[in-house]
Amino acid sequence: EVQLVESGGGLIQPGGSLRLSCAASGFTFSSFAMSWVRQAPGKGLEWVSVISGSGGETYYGVSVKGRFTISRDTSNNTLYLQMNSLRADDTAVYYCARGRSASSYAAIEYWGQGTLVTVSS
Amino acid sequence: DIVMTQSPDSLAVSLGERATINCKSSQSVLYSSNNKNYLAWYQQKPGQPPKLLIYWASTRESGVPDRFSGSGSGTDFSLTISSLQAEDVAVYYCHQHYSIPFTFGPGTKVDIK
Repeated sequence: EVQLVESGGGLIQPGGSLRLSCAASGFTFSSFAMSWVRQAPGKGLEWVSVISGSGGETYYGVSVKGRFTISRDTSNNTLYLQMNSLRADDTAVYYCARGRSASSYAAIEYWGQGTLVTVSS
Repeated sequence: DIVMTQSPDSLAVSLGERATINCKSSQSVLYSSNNKNYLAWYQQKPGQPPKLLIYWASTRESGVPDRFSGSGSGTDFSLTISSLQAEDVAVYYCHQHYSIPFTFGPGTKVDIK
């Protein structure tokens, strides 16, 4: 069974940094692209970032490019999102998600339960 | 960036009746090399993460009831629930994964009339 468990969310002041983690299990981690998608309270879904199965390709949404960094550690089956220069509009539930294949362009198939990030003073 | 629009914003349908949601992309999401539309549909119930229903615009995900179907190509797509059940109350999103940055539609809320 595919499981994706996010952690690392919480309350952070504007301008601060936070690193989210996603522990993956139930599948061969390096065989699938992984993504982060966020959802502000009461709002729709916003794609944040994707990393290919090999880790060789990374892409970002316009609003986070240059501030967020996605990475993966195959040795411990974990996906990360390093978030710097956080702003109030980064407040959202952040979902870890797995693609249908190793390609960065694969549809997202599985989602974690999400972790809430609140940026506020 | 590819802008995704959905219509209607919300709809209420009687149990057992058909519900249709439309999705339009500002550019084609059809990849000519493999003739596939990079368009997926997700269902999100309150307090839950989204769930994949349809990929490649019309391929039903394993385990998804066959009352859900997707159609369309290029820039115009639709999701149809052939006979609405109580458990189908949710927000439905279309999503293009053809061009970076990937984008989602704003969502369509489906309720029981």
